[in-house]
Amino acid sequence: GDSVTQMEGPVTLSEEAFLTINCTYTATGYPSLFWYVQYPGEGLQLLLKATKADDKGSNKGFEATYRKETTSFHLEKGSVQVSDSAVYFCALSALYNQGGKLIFGQGTELSVKP
Amino acid sequence: GAVVSQHPSRVICKSGTSVKIECRSLDFQATTMFWYRQFPKQSLMLMATSNEGSKATYEQGVEKDKFLINHASLTLSTLTVTSAHPEDSSFYICSASPGQGFSYNSPLHFGNGTRLTVT
Repeated sequence: GDSVTQMEGPVTLSEEAFLTINCTYTATGYPSLFWYVQYPGEGLQLLLKATKADDKGSNKGFEATYRKETTSFHLEKGSVQVSDSAVYFCALSALYNQGGKLIFGQGTELSVKP
Repeated sequence: GAVVSQHPSRVICKSGTSVKIECRSLDFQATTMFWYRQFPKQSLMLMATSNEGSKATYEQGVEKDKFLINHASLTLSTLTVTSAHPEDSSFYICSASPGQGFSYNSPLHFGNGTRLTVT
């Protein structure tokens, strides 16, 4: 079945450091890929998305490129801030999934220190 | 943007009682809503798909008689945890996508979740 695998956390960085959170997926066909962010005690917010190969999603300084050849959708940010501390979830949605259900990775906790 | 409101944000109840959680799409109509459960420091587990005007579709292993879902209108879905027990304590999150027909390209919009504690 379809699945998403993320790098394990927690990831601890200093402010202004470069961030990469790895995400790889397994799916039949061509899924849409998403990154969601969850701040403490809150629901999930869509961070960015990509719907086809080589698409680059970007938002708030975060970027991720849909790489079909490596089945990856790694999240990057050039300079993190303390306010970026949160849990990040990679997810996929596929046409053949009934109702387009989202399948989530296990989440990666990011902690940014001043 | 699309806003999903979930209520209550926190609830504490005694074992054996029932709790109702509401999920509303505030500025769009949602034919389909999803209910997730999240354990501490874990990912989201899809519990069921809520369809307006019809029965919910439950994921394998989720007790439909325990987690009652009603999707009475295009903007409201409710999850009722019946005869709650301490093991039902968790973070419940609903989500929805704008549009009459759900598209796998459309991102889901999530409520802020409900922290349920059963004592």
